[in-house]
Amino acid sequence: GAGVSQSPSNKVTEKGKDVELRCDPISGHTALYWYRQSLGQGLEFLIYFQGNSAPDKSGLPSDRFSAERTGGSVSTLTIQRTQQEDSAVYLCASSSNGERYTEAFFGQGTRLTVV
Amino acid sequence: GDSVTQMEGPVTLSEEAFLTINCTYTATGYPSLFWYVQYPGEGLQLLLKATKADDKGSNKGFEATYRKETTSFHLEKGSVQVSDSAVYFCALTPSGGYNKLIFGAGTRLAVHP
Repeated sequence: GAGVSQSPSNKVTEKGKDVELRCDPISGHTALYWYRQSLGQGLEFLIYFQGNSAPDKSGLPSDRFSAERTGGSVSTLTIQRTQQEDSAVYLCASSSNGERYTEAFFGQGTRLTVV
Repeated sequence: GDSVTQMEGPVTLSEEAFLTINCTYTATGYPSLFWYVQYPGEGLQLLLKATKADDKGSNKGFEATYRKETTSFHLEKGSVQVSDSAVYFCALTPSGGYNKLIFGAGTRLAVHP
């Protein structure tokens, strides 16, 4: 079956603009995660969705970042008023459940460049 | 808080050489431990895992043993191939938590013929 799909694969935006990044998880996976991969910070956790539970937003770096997951499937990460330090690769992952030993399947990421 | 430290790269080896990539962790209780790999142009994928002390994870000729006494999870392979060239990430999920991965900085491996 299809893996985790992210779009767009690349996004260049001007500083101050808003961007939306999309993630389609593997069908049937109840857990969905967003991570950010940047040169200076490595791989950082951003947010976690599990079923109908309230998301864990503890990794979001500022209130300019938000995410939602509609119908327990597709997720959108929104960055408002983008800054140059937001430039990174944004990775989405899903797993069949939220158990801590379960394999997470990653998408190929969205490379965001803020100019 | 919980954290993962892995050896800095890049690691450059000749084909058929022995590989070790060191990984140590700081965590309370018994985290689950993972090695993920990112091949050029591809997404992160799970290489192997171990969920309790003394467990050995293995896949594709790679092995790592969960050592509670030294808080380590070193990755080894007896004979590397050019196709093993990639970035390797050590990671953990905290004890008592959910599947929130905490990653090391990654180690780039380059294998030459």
